Order: sequence, then structure tokens, then C-alpha cells
Amino acid sequence: DVKVTQSSRYLVKRTGEKVFLECVQDMDHENMFWYRQDPGLGLRLIYFSYDVKMKEKGDIPEGYSVSREKKERFSLILESASTNQTSMYLCASSFDPEKLFFGSGTQLSVL
Amino acid sequence: GENVEQHPSTLSVQEGDSAVIKCTYSDSASNYFPWYKQELGKRPQLIIDIRSNVGEKKDQRIAVTLNKTAKHFSLHITETQPEDSAVYFCAAPPGGSYIPTFGRGTSLIVHP
Repeated sequence: DVKVTQSSRYLVKRTGEKVFLECVQDMDHENMFWYRQDPGLGLRLIYFSYDVKMKEKGDIPEGYSVSREKKERFSLILESASTNQTSMYLCASSFDPEKLFFGSGTQLSVL
Repeated sequence: GENVEQHPSTLSVQEGDSAVIKCTYSDSASNYFPWYKQELGKRPQLIIDIRSNVGEKKDQRIAVTLNKTAKHFSLHITETQPEDSAVYFCAAPPGGSYIPTFGRGTSLIVHP
């Protein structure tokens, strides 16, 4: 079974803090993704990566950056967290580029 | 880019009834259409998908149909059961891309 692991299930941070969300996959997948999930808005792509050190902006990259130093790990960084970044964050990976395997998500609250 | 519209946003049915969720897409070059199911508190999981060279695909009680001319595809669930209760997302990668654009989701509630 493919395993995509997100380091935290729940996270509470203060406005202005730098926040790191970590994601690790164990299936040697080339592609990794970060989505944000908000009620009524579905899944919106923040960033994706198709190889180590490669990254591409998704639909809503503002306020976020990413890092992929190793194939199995894809990190999402909020440089200065704001309250409008309170959301569920989902990491995903894929080998077949069309079929995504999701992590369990990190519910981030920014106070 | 691709625009995916999904309806309804909420669907409530009695156990044993059928449920249909519909999605429309904008990019006529899209050729792959997956459906993901997300149970409460869990991760989205791929449940069925269809490619543009096929009009219908079935897997036990679920089926997906595709109308390329009209640019819409639908998820059909027959003989619904309480464990079918979840949020369902359709998706479509734009032509030439493998990155799916998701619909906004349908919350399906199956009443026992």
C-alpha cells in the first residue's frame, strides 16, 4: 500500500509565524502535490513538484513556498502565517501522473 | 486552464436509492476523468476513473459515464448504503497536463 504521511494532524500557529508542513511518501513517486481544502471550494492546488528540486506553482501559490530536497519529502512553507491560511492542507503523490494518493491532511489554525 | 463545475453540492437519499453526481468541464482536450471519495475525517481516495475513448465504466455498484460532445461526466451509485456517505470529488486535467482540476465536491448523505 502506498503511504503518504503528513507530520501533523492538527497544528495551531500565531499570525506572523513561519510554518512548515511536512509530507513523506514511501513509494518512490516522482510527482508530489500540495492542496488546500476549504468547505465549498473543493481542492485547490498550491504547488506541485515533478522531480527533486523542481517545483511549479499551482492555482493559489501566494503566501506559500515549497521545498523538495529529497524525492520522498515535499515541504510546504508559510513564510508569515495569516488567518486566511487557516485550512486543511492535503499532500499527495503519484507515479502514474494522473492517479493521486493523498495523505491524511493537516488541519492548520492560524490565530 | 480547466474549469470543472460539480452538482449538486449536497445530495440526500434513502438507503437503496440511486445517486447521481454530475460534472462539466471546459477544456475539450481533457481526456481523463477520475472520481475521488472522501469519508469524514479521512483522506480522498480514487474510486473510479474513465478515459475519453470510453463512454461508460462500471465497478460493482458504481459507474461513470462520459459525454465528450457535451463535455460532462457523471458518477452513478446504485443501491446506496450508509457507508457510501462521503464527499465525492470529480476532476479533470486540462489537455496536455496531468494535474487535475477538482470540482467543489458533493456531500452525499445516505439515510438508513
